Amino acid sequence: DQQVKQNSPSLSVQEGRISILNCDYTNSMFDYFLWYKKYPAEGPTFLISISSIKDKNEDGRFTVFLNKSAKHLSLHIVPSQPGDSAVYFCAAIGYSSASKIIFGSGTRLSIRP
Amino acid sequence: DTAVSQTPKYLVTQMGNDKSIKCEQNLGHDTMYWYKQDSKKFLKIMFSYNNKELIINETVPNRFSPKSPDKAHLNLHINSLELGDSAVYFCASSHAGDYGYTFGSGTRLTVV
Repeated sequence: DQQVKQNSPSLSVQEGRISILNCDYTNSMFDYFLWYKKYPAEGPTFLISISSIKDKNEDGRFTVFLNKSAKHLSLHIVPSQPGDSAVYFCAAIGYSSASKIIFGSGTRLSIRP
Repeated sequence: DTAVSQTPKYLVTQMGNDKSIKCEQNLGHDTMYWYKQDSKKFLKIMFSYNNKELIINETVPNRFSPKSPDKAHLNLHINSLELGDSAVYFCASSHAGDYGYTFGSGTRLTVV
């Protein structure tokens, strides 16, 4: 039962352009969403989050958008830089998950020169 | 100075053996977690401890037993290892109620 889905296992974007990573969820009781970034041989690193009472949260080059009616969130990175090449995990949490963060399977982002 | 450190980084062992993975955090967090990343790359919670007390215990085999001697340490002991236990195990920590976890770099367990 995959409550958090990242349907694109990989994405390639040219340096300087916008990277858009997508995530869908099935549980309408989720009320907090996060993005984590992971480099090879390292643990995931918290990147940005959004509460369900908001539809957008911005932090520098990173913006997360939440569409609750569509149960969809996306992470925008602009402009994309070589150091952004990593695996990005979408995650969700809510009362129904008993305070457990539920992770997606990740999207591998590659930034090409 | 590593915030969340796990040892060992790699572990190759035979079926039936017993092994332990250690985790230590120096961030002053009161909550620690064990996650398993399976072959499909999903990160799944196994256990969570708050101030040495077990608060989340997912449906994992009894062969997995976490131990928290103090709030800075959460070790994972696995008995009678099976092939299906092969995965990357991540330790993480946070303040209670804070979802921006700090993860360790993972332990890749291979059971042969």
